[in-house]
Amino acid sequence: GESVGLHLPTLSVQEGDNSIINCAYSNSASDYFIWYKQESGKGPQFIIDIRSNMDKRQGQRVTVLLNKTVKHLSLQIAATQPGDSAVYFCAEIDNAGGTSYGKLTFGQGTILTVHP
Amino acid sequence: DVKVTQSSRYLVKRTGEKVFLECVQDMDHENMFWYRQDPGLGLRLIYFSYDVKMKEKGDIPEGYSVSREKKERFSLILESASTNQTSMYLCASSFAQGKSSGANVLTFGAGSRLTVL
Repeated sequence: GESVGLHLPTLSVQEGDNSIINCAYSNSASDYFIWYKQESGKGPQFIIDIRSNMDKRQGQRVTVLLNKTVKHLSLQIAATQPGDSAVYFCAEIDNAGGTSYGKLTFGQGTILTVHP
Repeated sequence: DVKVTQSSRYLVKRTGEKVFLECVQDMDHENMFWYRQDPGLGLRLIYFSYDVKMKEKGDIPEGYSVSREKKERFSLILESASTNQTSMYLCASSFAQGKSSGANVLTFGAGSRLTVL
């Protein structure tokens, strides 16, 4: 899972395994959540999102689960591949306030390493 | 394919120099953002802009300024670079809320790694 500190959490898996990356968010008013993937030397890329009125959303090989009771978000990657190796960030957005840009907060990130 | 382009991938500057980091997006996004990314600290918002000539301070604006003269371009300026501004700088953009169902989805550039000596 994600935490504040100098060292990012890490997850090492074998190719073909399923991966689960966790994120604890802090703002109970957050109503939209995004997972980003950042490969070495690149900017973060959007993977999947979920709104607070849902508890599960599936994409291609990825599933996001949202538990609002305990303010927990997870990203599940099925049949993990070496190309999935990256840092994964969750982001929470609080859209209250009537602005055009919601208050977005990123988690620290988790390093996923996939071994062939 | 949608794009956020940061003009410089790597820069090395000296303490006290003025530094310009340029960012251009071709998606007609209203919102643009500058973040810095440091190990263990994650992404921290420096400044953002929700319209041309409009800017708002983020969480760590000290030592930075920004300029948005055109919708597609958002510049980050370090008036007098210091060694503690050595970092990876990420530009991002998004639609305004209400314009798109994915309005809060930020599209990021590849980053500009700045080293201040």
